[in-house]
Amino acid sequence: SQQGEEDPQALSIQEGENATMNCSYKTSINNLQWYRQNSGRGLVHLILIRSNEREKHSGRLRVTLDTSKKSSSLLITASRAADTASYFCATDNAGGTSYGKLTFGQGTILTVHP
Amino acid sequence: SQTIHQWPATLVQPVGSPLSLECTVEGTSNPNLYWYRQAAGRGLQLLFYSVGIGQISSEVPQNLSASRPQDRQFILSSKKLLLSDSGFYLCAWSVLRGAASPLHFGNGTRLTVT
Repeated sequence: SQQGEEDPQALSIQEGENATMNCSYKTSINNLQWYRQNSGRGLVHLILIRSNEREKHSGRLRVTLDTSKKSSSLLITASRAADTASYFCATDNAGGTSYGKLTFGQGTILTVHP
Repeated sequence: SQTIHQWPATLVQPVGSPLSLECTVEGTSNPNLYWYRQAAGRGLQLLFYSVGIGQISSEVPQNLSASRPQDRQFILSSKKLLLSDSGFYLCAWSVLRGAASPLHFGNGTRLTVT
C-alpha cells in the first residue's frame, strides 16, 4: 500500500489564489519530498524536507512537516495557469537500507483556471 | 549537467511479445537507478532499483525483469507481456551517498499491451 496519501485528490482554483495540498504517511521517515508531474511527462522534484525540519520555502512553494501527526502540506501561493499539474508527496522511510527508495502517494491533480 | 534519456516514448505491443525499455544517464557516475510504474496517471510503484552494475533488487514479484549492463544504463525487460503490464514506465536516478537526494526522472514510456 502507498505510504503517502494526498488530500484532496483534485483541486480546482482561479489564477492568483493559493493552493494547499496535504499528505499523510504512516511510518517514520528520513525525509519527505514533493514532486510535480505535467500530463504525460516525468516527475520533477520540487522540494525536500528532512524529518528534523518543520518548514521550508522555495520561491512560491512552502512546505511544512509535522512528524507528530505524520503529515505534510504543500502551499503554492499566487497560483498560475502553468502550475496546473499533478503533485505527489514521497517519503524516504527510516530504518534499514533504503538506498533512496521513495514511496509515492496517489497525488493531487491541481487545475488553475486563467 | 546530468541528463536522463528514456526510450521509446510510446509503445504498443501484443500480449505475449517481448519487451525492452532502455534508460541511460549522462553526466554522473555510479548513480542509483530505479524503474517505477504508474497506473492511470496516479501513484508510482517502485519495480526495481540498482546501486551498481549487475546489482538489481526487485520490489514486487511480476512478469518483468531489469538489468544494468553498464554503470549508467538500466534496462527493463519481459519475455512475454501481459495485459496487466500496460502502464507508464518511468526511469529515475539519484546520487544517494548517506544523505537525502531527490530522484531525477526521465520522460517515461507509455506501454499499451493489446
